[in-house]
Amino acid sequence: ETGVTQSPTHLIKTRGQQVTLRCSSQSGHNTVSWYQQALGQGPQFIFQYYREEENGRGNFPPRFSGLQFPNYSSELNVNALELDDSALYLCASSPQDRAYEQYFGPGTRLTVT
Amino acid sequence: AQSVAQPEDQVNVAEGNPLTVKCTYSVSGNPYLFWYVQYPNRGLQFLLKYITGDNLVKGSYGFEAEFNKSQTSFHLKKPSALVSDSALYFCAVRGTNTGTASKLTFGTGTRLQVTL
Repeated sequence: ETGVTQSPTHLIKTRGQQVTLRCSSQSGHNTVSWYQQALGQGPQFIFQYYREEENGRGNFPPRFSGLQFPNYSSELNVNALELDDSALYLCASSPQDRAYEQYFGPGTRLTVT
Repeated sequence: AQSVAQPEDQVNVAEGNPLTVKCTYSVSGNPYLFWYVQYPNRGLQFLLKYITGDNLVKGSYGFEAEFNKSQTSFHLKKPSALVSDSALYFCAVRGTNTGTASKLTFGTGTRLQVTL
């Protein structure tokens, strides 16, 4: 059984640029959640996708957007990057009917300069 | 709103001794509670969960947690700590009155340091 994978591992961007982060769900999982983990903090919920639609959103501005594809993989897009967007971005997938049971990928470390 | 408090930034314990990492929560409805561990530059690794049933939950690597509804606590425990248990531990909660999204709310984490 393949776990959750994320790409890239690390990324450096300049303020104002746009970034796309990718996530492949664990086999058999149809729900994807994205979290932002700033240095020294716990993960903060960005949003969740189920059947290719956003299923809930945390306290993040609209410049954070996402997609889920028919194979349940997902993208997180961030426009107009700000310095405070520097963080570890974590993707988690969940099995059908147990969206609360979240299995995390290794994360993408984004640095905005 | 749901919240989690991990009152200790760091817990130090000698190898072979029992360990406890504390967690209290606030949530609407019945809580779903989780413990995750994070090693340096890694994602979160699932340890255990409480959904319903027995208050003592057993998880991976010899860890267990005790759900206490009256004290709204879910402390993580292990009878005998190993140096390899040294890591960052996160408690998380999800309420049952939170709408459609299964949003997990995490604490700020507790660093466990196990020494020889």
